[in-house]
Amino acid sequence: NAGVTQTPKFRVLKTGQSMTLLCAQDMNHEYMYWYRQDPGMGLRLIHYSVGEGTTAKGEVPDGYNVSRLKKQNFLLGLESAAPSQTSVYFCASSGDPGSNQPQHFGDGTRLSIL
Amino acid sequence: GQSLEQPSEVTAVEGAIVQINCTYQTSGFYGLSWYQQHDGGAPTFLSYNALDGLEETGRFSSFLSRSDSYGYLLLQELQMKDSASYFCAARPGTGRRALTFGSGTRLQVQP
Repeated sequence: NAGVTQTPKFRVLKTGQSMTLLCAQDMNHEYMYWYRQDPGMGLRLIHYSVGEGTTAKGEVPDGYNVSRLKKQNFLLGLESAAPSQTSVYFCASSGDPGSNQPQHFGDGTRLSIL
Repeated sequence: GQSLEQPSEVTAVEGAIVQINCTYQTSGFYGLSWYQQHDGGAPTFLSYNALDGLEETGRFSSFLSRSDSYGYLLLQELQMKDSASYFCAARPGTGRRALTFGSGTRLQVQP
């Protein structure tokens, strides 16, 4: 049971570099989400998707882009990394929130930007 | 918009009962969820309340009062492994179909 898998688990970047975080789920979920978690601030929603080919902005979308070309994958891109984006990034997936389906989280990607 | 308030830290002893409160302000409301997160780990779903009242799952119970915009998570017979952060989360009634999380309550269980 893989569930939600995030790649990579750790990464160190220099300011201005770009990178893509990959999230894959094998539960056939329509909904996928990207969060960032900073100390003492809980989980803040960056972007989310309600199905293949769709994306929507969350609470803190600036500096990030996403794509959902395939139902099972949700990619988070940083075009020009900044130290303020140092964080732990979590991906999650769920069935329809309207039917109270819980979110299933990946193990996180720890990203440091120097 | 939405905001959820919960205490930042709670300390209790093994075997005791602890209650973690969550108050919310939302433009709409579809129910309150609770997630647990151990240090270095991923959040995991604990419970969901769509209606007023108490939901019980083993040692954990969750309560919701829509009229008071308030809920709580009750942990009984505390064990050391319950030391973790606990987040309440709510989904707005309209618009964005995603959860807003509180900032979390760090529970420390002492022997």
